[in-house]
Amino acid sequence: SQQGEEDPQALSIQEGENATMNCSYKTSINNLQWYRQNSGRGLVHLILIRSNEREKHSGRLRVTLDTSKKSSSLLITASRAADTASYFCATGSARQLTFGSGTQLTVLP
Amino acid sequence: EAGVAQSPRYKIIEKRQSVAFWCNPISGHATLYWYQQILGQGPKLLIQFQNNGVVDDSQLPKDRFSAERLKGVDSTLKIQPAKLEDSAVYLCASSSIPNQGGEKLFFGSGTQLSVL
Repeated sequence: SQQGEEDPQALSIQEGENATMNCSYKTSINNLQWYRQNSGRGLVHLILIRSNEREKHSGRLRVTLDTSKKSSSLLITASRAADTASYFCATGSARQLTFGSGTQLTVLP
Repeated sequence: EAGVAQSPRYKIIEKRQSVAFWCNPISGHATLYWYQQILGQGPKLLIQFQNNGVVDDSQLPKDRFSAERLKGVDSTLKIQPAKLEDSAVYLCASSSIPNQGGEKLFFGSGTQLSVL
């Protein structure tokens, strides 16, 4: 079963705008990761946030984690056309990494 | 550093036929995973190897799917016989340490399987 559920399922924005995607999960986790998947390609790791962290930055990416609400958000600032892809959250528990169903982001030039 | 290699890139077969996928992980990565990704969904773990031993195959349909990782390097995933619902992208991933929920995975580009 897929633990993480992303919201929205699809998001379309103009280049230069910020994009925010949310992930909710059900059970306790050790960490939460975000991956990007370009069409027809494999997944690429973006960022990992541990359960004792609340916020993390990497370049134009900002991830937050609220373990009390069992939710995370991924913010992409100043989006570019090249950011067009599917974004997946993945929750890490004792032994397994479980992926959500993804958010399809389209950045219009 | 070479990435995770998978072949073939695409495969079209008829139902009840058999098919095999191959994966070569990143050199030195002890842990190897096979995921199934159905169109519009996230990847679902089929099987996880630690070196040449199986760590988790709880979601592998063992009546038709099999996988092996001889010598702890390359791996093959086989489906026999294939069903229509097996149409999906099969992704191989590797990591340098056992997945205790902490490390990142490196994915190959996948094999897109169409079962007609």
